Amino acid sequence: GAGVSQTPSNKVTEKGKYVELRCDPISGHTALYWYRQSLGQGPEFLIYFQGTGAADDSGLPNDRFFAVRPEGSVSTLKIQRTERGDSAVYLCASSLSQYRERTFGSGTRLTVV
Amino acid sequence: ILNVEQSPQSLHVQEGDSTNFTCSFPSSNFYALHWYRWETAKSPEALFVMTLNGDEKKKGRISATLNTKEGYSYLYIKGSQPEDSATYLCAPNYGGSQGNLIFGKGTKLSVKP
Repeated sequence: GAGVSQTPSNKVTEKGKYVELRCDPISGHTALYWYRQSLGQGPEFLIYFQGTGAADDSGLPNDRFFAVRPEGSVSTLKIQRTERGDSAVYLCASSLSQYRERTFGSGTRLTVV
Repeated sequence: ILNVEQSPQSLHVQEGDSTNFTCSFPSSNFYALHWYRWETAKSPEALFVMTLNGDEKKKGRISATLNTKEGYSYLYIKGSQPEDSATYLCAPNYGGSQGNLIFGKGTKLSVKP
């Protein structure tokens, strides 16, 4: 596609529920990244995929967070048993390689009530 | 924990003013520095990726310099325009984990007509 697409753009969920956030990267970009941005902070790294595999998942805050990229293109970030502290903007980005600039999507604003 | 500092936190200038802001980061094991521009309600947009000490890059009225030995980068905007209003984010990454960009909190620039 022309850009990185993220869906949904907004998600409101109740505490304790499960959510999935989707990212559709630029075609041909082998590297895909997830970030989380809380109010007043810069984006915080969560996970980086090279192809289908997670090359670095050191930013995932705990085992409630999981991400997949089964065919090396679309990725899904999954959050189990959501907590109010998970409320943030979740950004996805892709790039031709980890050495190149990232192209970001518009983000998914997650609100846990 | 690697600390990336950006200053000032916010900046208000008049149209036509030139301005600059700073990004400071740990220099040990440095690999590259990214600059992004993030307008409200849009996606972060890549400005520069810089790797070499003394690097200087330019895009239109915006330029950036890099000092990897002391761990800082300056971003300059010449003749600011209202459309330059955005948050400017810097993000270094480090050898061994090039997928992981560590973002500062950003400098929020407002340019008044």
